[in-house]
Amino acid sequence: DGGITQSPKYLFRKEGQNVTLSCEQNLNHDAMYWYRQDPGQGLRLIYYSQIVNDFQKGDIAEGYSVSREKKESFPLTVTSAQKNPTAFYLCASSIAGGGKRTDTQYFGPGTRLTVL
Amino acid sequence: GQQLNQSPQSMFIQEGEDVSMNCTSSSIFNTWLWYKQDPGEGPVLLIALYKAGELTSNGRLTAQFGITRKDSFLNISASIPSDVGIYFCATNFGNEKLTFGTGTRLTIIP
Repeated sequence: DGGITQSPKYLFRKEGQNVTLSCEQNLNHDAMYWYRQDPGQGLRLIYYSQIVNDFQKGDIAEGYSVSREKKESFPLTVTSAQKNPTAFYLCASSIAGGGKRTDTQYFGPGTRLTVL
Repeated sequence: GQQLNQSPQSMFIQEGEDVSMNCTSSSIFNTWLWYKQDPGEGPVLLIALYKAGELTSNGRLTAQFGITRKDSFLNISASIPSDVGIYFCATNFGNEKLTFGTGTRLTIIP
């Protein structure tokens, strides 16, 4: 089945440790995105990538890093510099990353990160 | 920055009732998306609108893109228990990034 997978569903880490969240898509989409969601809040954009080997900061990129070495993969690293990392992280992808028309984004199931 | 105002923030209704929620912006936009998020899951696209005045249905859901291009509403008719969740509006402001509303949380009272 085509879709977006995120793993793991739940992740626990000690404070001060870096952690990498996985996002894989087999939809052949060019663009991929990472969002953060806090309880009772909307989605805030962390990083996005329109094409392989290229990515841009979103609205809240501080304390995060990404890579886009393959079209189907867009891992997010939450570094120890992120002051409040506990949140629900959502990955999304869309067909085309540029242009004026919005291309519908499709979301993965999310990873809930808890930093102890 | 750009902002979408989504209302109401939460709704408590009885099964079988109709639901209406909306999003407004001070800016004009060309696209409108409505998503639903179940607890602990990623948002799922419900309806996409691309033209001012467009009215689109998806089963019991109906959404319209306002004529002024600054607002949109989503209606759910005859609500059922699986309608529970958070509904988000989203649009873009001329770039490749989507901006999301703060969501409307729907709860169905037994």
